[in-house]
Amino acid sequence: AQSVAQPEDQVNVAEGNPLTVKCTYSVSGNPYLFWYVQYPNRGLQFLLKYITGDNLVKGSYGFEAEFNKSQTSFHLKKPSALVSDSALYFCAVRPFRDDKIIFGKGTRLHILP
Amino acid sequence: EAQVTQNPRYLITVTGKKLTVTCSQNMNHEYMSWYRQDPGLGLRQIYYSMNVEVTDKGDVPEGYKVSRKEKRNFPLILESPSPNQTSLYFCASRRGANQPQHFGDGTRLSIL
Repeated sequence: AQSVAQPEDQVNVAEGNPLTVKCTYSVSGNPYLFWYVQYPNRGLQFLLKYITGDNLVKGSYGFEAEFNKSQTSFHLKKPSALVSDSALYFCAVRPFRDDKIIFGKGTRLHILP
Repeated sequence: EAQVTQNPRYLITVTGKKLTVTCSQNMNHEYMSWYRQDPGLGLRQIYYSMNVEVTDKGDVPEGYKVSRKEKRNFPLILESPSPNQTSLYFCASRRGANQPQHFGDGTRLSIL
């Protein structure tokens, strides 16, 4: 079955430190990968996507993600965390030639002042 | 302003009373989707639509109906709601298959 895994329910990082939110996927063919962020009482907001090309993708608010085909991973990263980055983060994948979108269960990121 | 608008934002109702959650987008997007968000389960796709009069089931379609008679609107219909449909619902739209989705602010449904 096609799936997306976010192995950590919660990640705690001190402000100013680098952060990583992990995502792995299991789909057939070449996937299209996305990261979204959700703030309280709001819908999801798009951060970045990987379709093809350079494995390091840069997105909004200083976030970036690295696509690793051999490890089937698409981890979200930021060099220096801000308290305002505290939110719920979702990884999503669109399998090749499929209109469905599969979301991970989400990772709550806490940035500690 | 480009947006996806859902109504109502909050609804408390009783088992078996038909309800409709409306969704409208002003971006002329081809694709629209409905999701439900439950604690520990993330977002699960209910139905999606690739264009007017073209819809398909997502992962959890049971108990829901949709229609796409106009490009901008994609209502979610619960013909006979049950308590297990208590959830937070999101509508989303996107321009093309590989494009990012724009989400509404959500509808919190409580079925008693």
